[in-house]
Amino acid sequence: AQTVTQSQPEMSVQEAETVTLSCTYDTSESNYYLFWYKQPPSRQMILVIRQEAYKQQNATENRFSVNFQKAAKSFSLKISDSQLGDTAMYFCAFCNSGAGSYQLTFGKGTKLSVIP
Amino acid sequence: DVKVTQSSRYLVKRTGEKVFLECVQDMDHENMFWYRQDPGLGLRLIYFSYDVKMKEKGDIPEGYSVSREKKERFSLILESASTNQTSMYLCASGSLALSGANVLTFGAGSRLTVL
Repeated sequence: AQTVTQSQPEMSVQEAETVTLSCTYDTSESNYYLFWYKQPPSRQMILVIRQEAYKQQNATENRFSVNFQKAAKSFSLKISDSQLGDTAMYFCAFCNSGAGSYQLTFGKGTKLSVIP
Repeated sequence: DVKVTQSSRYLVKRTGEKVFLECVQDMDHENMFWYRQDPGLGLRLIYFSYDVKMKEKGDIPEGYSVSREKKERFSLILESASTNQTSMYLCASGSLALSGANVLTFGAGSRLTVL
């Protein structure tokens, strides 16, 4: 079974600074997907970014980028120019690829606070 | 925009009551999921469904059942609610066919309190 570990239960960052959230996972599969989801306080969970394991290039979405290290099974999220609206719970998630691969496995989350 | 709508944001029920949590999606996704979210435990999968009338147990199915009679609707049922089922319940839908990966869209959540 796959496991996803987020070792930082809580983090804080000053507005406009850069922060990196850590995620490691364990799998014996070679093809899979990795995701970061964001859950703002009392609001809906939304997808931030996703990475396909067969792609060596790290995914980026505006101020959000990942550092995907396949051999190390590491998938960290970097948030640049942090904004107050980035305050949220962030969940790392893993999903096998291919037919029949329905389940996402989530980490326990990192609570990020952006300080003015 | 993909929408996943959960019928109730907040519910308060008594121990032993039967509880229905309804979820509807409007994007023709084949896959639907029910998660339970608790502080420090992250999201844990209760049940999922990959087609109408099909259901699969997730990691914590005990005390729960589900129903999927129509593609757009996925219901979570607590036959006899207990206090340890007090939690936030998240519904999600996704489609492998659209993107090759099960990218999930979540509902706003239903916070259930069992007294």
